[in-house]
Parts: sequence; structure tokens; C-alpha cells
Amino acid sequence: KAGVTQTPRYLIKTRGQQVTLSCSPISGHRSVSWYQQTPGQGLQFLFEYFSETQRNKGNFPGRFSGRQFSNSRSEMNVSTLELGDSALYLCASSLMILADDNEQFFGPGTRLTVL
Amino acid sequence: SQQGEEDPQALSIQEGENATMNCSYKTSINNLQWYRQNSGRGLVHLILIRSNEREKHSGRLRVTLDTSKKSSSLLITASRAADTASYFCATDASSSSGSARQLTFGSGTQLTVLP
Repeated sequence: KAGVTQTPRYLIKTRGQQVTLSCSPISGHRSVSWYQQTPGQGLQFLFEYFSETQRNKGNFPGRFSGRQFSNSRSEMNVSTLELGDSALYLCASSLMILADDNEQFFGPGTRLTVL
Repeated sequence: SQQGEEDPQALSIQEGENATMNCSYKTSINNLQWYRQNSGRGLVHLILIRSNEREKHSGRLRVTLDTSKKSSSLLITASRAADTASYFCATDASSSSGSARQLTFGSGTQLTVLP
């Protein structure tokens, strides 16, 4: 079974631009979560989608948004990029929403650099 | 914000020795999970321990959970050079509104196993 895939793997943008990252979950998984990882703030939860609905959202500004499609693939968008948005963006999929035995499987991440 | 704080931040040991990492958290949790991350790549799920469990084993891994002290430890026995990685604890807790659950990651321990 193929793992979680994220595209692109690396991305360089300039301040003010916008970016869209894509995540394809493991086949059959319906929940997709996004995380931002930076050296200063560590791993921070962005949002979770399940059945095309945002279930939960972390403490990030409205410039960060996402969506999920009917095939469970998810995209996240960051508008008006700032230097501080440079980070590794990780996507994780799980069979259902978070539950007692629910393991999350992570993709390799997208490394975003904002110049 | 990060719920979990890990100790130590960095640990260097010889191959064959045991490695112990600790994690403390602040709020009530549903479960606690440990993940490994190799050099800026995606996270790999290691083990999940539920809030009503005190100890769990998986291969060379042993995890303990003390909910009264809000702390957990991860023990890796007979370490190998391939165990070199960053290790994160993540707490699965309900959001403040109680409507959803999310994973909150600790700051991580960088483990180096010297051959």
C-alpha cells in the first residue's frame, strides 16, 4: 500500500506570493491533518479534515487555509507569504478522526522557503 | 503552543547502551504517542499508550505513562546507530471546546548513537 505522498517536496517563493501544497493520503484513509515544523516553534498543528469538512483548526492566521476533496486528497494554501512561513509542512493521514487507537501516518513533507 | 516538553533536548550514547527520554505535558490527555523523525523527514509512529495504561512494550521500546505526574518516558534498549534521530512525544487531547481532538507535539529529543 502506498504511503502518504506530498507534492512538491521543495518550494521556493518570495514574500507576498501564495502557495498551494498537496497531500494524498493512504488509500482508504479519510482524515488528513497538516502540521508546520520550524526550528523555533517545533511541530504545530494547522488543521484536520475529515470527509471534506474541517474538523479542527490550530492557532494560525487566516492566511493559512485548506480543503479536502471527495477522494480524501487535501490541499493547503498560504497566501501573502511571510519570511516566517519558511518551514517543513507535514501532512498526516489516518483511517478515521483521532481516536484511541488511531495512528497517524506522515508524509515526507514539503520544504517551503520564503525569500 | 507546545504541550509537551521533552528532556533531555539532546542525548549522545554508545551503541548497545540504553536511551531514556522523558516527556511532560500540561493537560488531561486521551493518549500519548511517540514518533521518530530522521533528519528533517516525515515522522514515523513508534508507539501509542492510552491514558488508562501505565506501561507498553514494542520490540526494543518501552513506554511508561504517569498521568498523576503528567509525564511519560521512552526507553530504547540496546541502541543501534540506526536509532539516531529526533524523538517526539505527542499528546492527543480534546480541544478547548471539546468538539475535536488534536495531536500536540513536544519539542523533541535529538538522540545520537555512536558506533
